[in-house]
Amino acid sequence: GPKVLQIPSHQIIDMGQMVTLNCDPVSNHLYFYWYKQILGQQMEFLVNFYNGKVMEKSKLFKDQFSVERPDGSYFTLKIQPTALEDSAVYFCASSIDRANQAPLFGEGTRLSVL
Amino acid sequence: QQQVRQSPQSLTVWEGETAILNCSYENSAFDYFPWYQQFPGEGPALLIAIRSVSDKKEDGRFTIFFNKREKKLSLHITDSQPGDSATYFCAATSSSFSKLVFGQGTSLSVVP
Repeated sequence: GPKVLQIPSHQIIDMGQMVTLNCDPVSNHLYFYWYKQILGQQMEFLVNFYNGKVMEKSKLFKDQFSVERPDGSYFTLKIQPTALEDSAVYFCASSIDRANQAPLFGEGTRLSVL
Repeated sequence: QQQVRQSPQSLTVWEGETAILNCSYENSAFDYFPWYQQFPGEGPALLIAIRSVSDKKEDGRFTIFFNKREKKLSLHITDSQPGDSATYFCAATSSSFSKLVFGQGTSLSVVP
């Protein structure tokens, strides 16, 4: 079936560096999301994106975070600069319609900030 | 503010038993409730979902029971198998929302 692909699966960086997490959503999906999960606990909503714009973002989506999807390529989450508390697993998801259609999630990128 | 709550936090059942996972919510506007199953090191995968117009949704060994008046729902896993051992997340949303709101998850262990 359709899959959301996330690259890389694991990223280790030093605090203060920039990191870009890449997501290849399902081709006909229009809504894109990033969620943050720490230690297998609750999935925390970060941001959603539609038609080239951020629709909604949470308090966790700090000023150091940004998202974009240039020319229909990867949907990216950029963190600049990174902080220790950014260490987590970041999940990308996509859906044809709003979340009312149960977004499809990727396998996640584990980010370790040292 | 925790809009979606799950209990118990962890649950252990014997193989063949029925596991019951509970979920409650606060926002009356929520009308769509997907349950996701997550194995260690993987992303959450949609298991089964229910809309608020129904009070029951069944898919094989998995059944959701929904009580709109009490804002509660539960996931029943009958004939539990060791392969069902995973974390189960209850989520909620509505057509006016642009995101899923997740509960804290229930970690299920099925012992052979």
